[in-house]
Amino acid sequence: AQSVTQLDSHVSVSEGTPVLLRCNYSSSYSPSLFWYVQHPNKGLQLLLKYTSAATLVKGINGFEAEFKKSETSFHLTKPSAHMSDAAEYFCVVSLNAGNMLTFGGGTRLMVKP
Amino acid sequence: KAGVTQTPRYLIKTRGQQVTLSCSPISGHRSVSWYQQTPGQGLQFLFEYFSETQRNKGNFPGRFSGRQFSNSRSEMNVSTLELGDSALYLCASSSTIAGHSTDTQYFGPGTRLTVL
Repeated sequence: AQSVTQLDSHVSVSEGTPVLLRCNYSSSYSPSLFWYVQHPNKGLQLLLKYTSAATLVKGINGFEAEFKKSETSFHLTKPSAHMSDAAEYFCVVSLNAGNMLTFGGGTRLMVKP
Repeated sequence: KAGVTQTPRYLIKTRGQQVTLSCSPISGHRSVSWYQQTPGQGLQFLFEYFSETQRNKGNFPGRFSGRQFSNSRSEMNVSTLELGDSALYLCASSSTIAGHSTDTQYFGPGTRLTVL
């Protein structure tokens, strides 16, 4: 079985400061891992994905994530938050078993001016 | 390319009714998946269709069903609606053929269903 735990349901940062959204996964197999973002009343947009090619993955809008197998973690970071980054972020795992995504509970990121 | 489109965007139904939601995938994508998003349960996988066949199914009751047409468009149906079916229903498409876990799914804006 696979599962994803996002360690913080809410994160608040000031504009211009770093962002860290934490994610731990559990999987019996070699997983593919994704981060998606959801802005209010919008669908999900892919930020980045890990597929075992490189442990440090760069995504859109300055986000990146590092896959750490020993810690079963896939934390999302950004050096400098922007007001437009305020949204809900989902860490997602997929097994080699078709298009069945398992979502974490989500982290709501708030950015203060 | 146009993105994934879902219709209608909003629906209000009453308990006991049934509802049909529609999803048009990105052109050339043959896999369509459906997800339910609620505040309490989060995002949960409903089912996936590929080449008009259901390839995977989540843990939902039989009231939830779907189908896919030859042009890859998909519909999902919920019969005998319950209050707990109120949710945002998201559709995603993928270009996968083998259903590999590395395939990216592209999501539509969702249909918000309210059951009164």
